[in-house]
Amino acid sequence: NAGVTQTPKFRVLKTGQSMTLLCAQDMNHEYMYWYRQDPGMGLRLIHYSVGEGTTAKGEVPDGYNVSRLKKQNFLLGLESAAPSQTSVYFCASSKGLAGGYEQYFGPGTRLTVT
Amino acid sequence: DQQVKQNSPSLSVQEGRISILNCDYTNSMFDYFLWYKKYPAEGPTFLISISSIKDKNEDGRFTVFLNKSAKHLSLHIVPSQPGDSAVYFCAASGSKSGGNQFYFGTGTSLTVIP
Repeated sequence: NAGVTQTPKFRVLKTGQSMTLLCAQDMNHEYMYWYRQDPGMGLRLIHYSVGEGTTAKGEVPDGYNVSRLKKQNFLLGLESAAPSQTSVYFCASSKGLAGGYEQYFGPGTRLTVT
Repeated sequence: DQQVKQNSPSLSVQEGRISILNCDYTNSMFDYFLWYKKYPAEGPTFLISISSIKDKNEDGRFTVFLNKSAKHLSLHIVPSQPGDSAVYFCAASGSKSGGNQFYFGTGTSLTVIP
């Protein structure tokens, strides 16, 4: 039981390049989330999904897109990377919505945009 | 505007003594609160939670206290151990307002000195 896994662990992009971060969970959770963590800012929600085929915006969605084609996978895309998107990205999943269920986090992806 | 605040970026405690980590929130709709622990280069892991119908929840060495009137919660670790050295995040959500996301504090780095 691997829990939540993220690919890749590290990535360096040049401004304007695109990339996709992959999150996979094997706990059969309905809900999945993408966060970014910046120094002094805590974790901020980018997008989330309440089930296969659904996505919704979180607190800081601009510059990102997501897709949930399969229940176990949640993809985060950056179409045109900017230095402001340098951050550590965490994926999480949960059995239910936030009010009552804890979230399980992946190990993170450290992204640097130059 | 930060809805969940952890005003102490760091805390140092001697092994065996009590560690008290504090968290304040501004949104009166929040009714579910969690603490997460994070080691370097890893994702946050769930530690303990409390719902607003309680004012205390205990799990082994960890106790969370909730003061709804003050919009304040605290995490007590007794006795503190060197392995407790990590960054601790508090998070809050409001099931009554949809409860789709957690709001995280900025974290407190705890160092337990052997």
